[in-house]
Amino acid sequence: QVQLVESGGGVVQPGRSLRLSCVASGFTFSSHAMHWVRQAPGKGLEWVAVTSYDGSNNYYGDSVKGRFTISRDNSKNTLHLQMNSLRPEDTAVYYCGRDCDDSSGYLIDYWGQGTPVTVSS
Amino acid sequence: QLTQSPSSVSASVGDRVSITCRASQAINTWLAWYQQKPGRAPKLLIYAASTLQSGVPSRFTGSGSGTDFTLTISSLQPEDFATFYCQQTNSFPLTFGGGTKVEIK
Repeated sequence: QVQLVESGGGVVQPGRSLRLSCVASGFTFSSHAMHWVRQAPGKGLEWVAVTSYDGSNNYYGDSVKGRFTISRDNSKNTLHLQMNSLRPEDTAVYYCGRDCDDSSGYLIDYWGQGTPVTVSS
Repeated sequence: QLTQSPSSVSASVGDRVSITCRASQAINTWLAWYQQKPGRAPKLLIYAASTLQSGVPSRFTGSGSGTDFTLTISSLQPEDFATFYCQQTNSFPLTFGGGTKVEIK
């Protein structure tokens, strides 16, 4: 069965960096685009970034562009999110998700359990 | 931009519930719906505006195209109380609606 397990969350001071990871299993990781989506406490879902199946094409949400970098290591079935210049408004639960990868556009059919990030001094 | 309405709805088991999602520009049928329960990750319900994801009960239906979309639960069950989100799947940045919380009356 498909499993996505995030790690790397925690408490970090504003301006510092954090790197999230998501280990995938139960499917051919290198065949699927992968996403990061976040949810601030008590708020809705916000799409963060996507990387193509081979990591050659990446797209970002406006609020993280230039600060966050999505990457993947297909040899290790692992997705990463490098978060730099963190701000208090980046505080959220961060989910990784597998793209459905059919002709219906970019949507997420499997989600991890999420890893919490708190940006605070 | 996607605007959902209502932001919350109170309903009873067995009720028919409809949630709307309006796009600021036409997106054909590039729309998905998710359900999220407290403390849990979202779950994909419907994609391409009206295609039911495998394993999702048939009481969930999606409709619409262009700018106006609807998620309908034909007969609300106890396990359906949750927050529902729409998402446009066509253009970057991908966007979600603000969510609709379905609560027990």
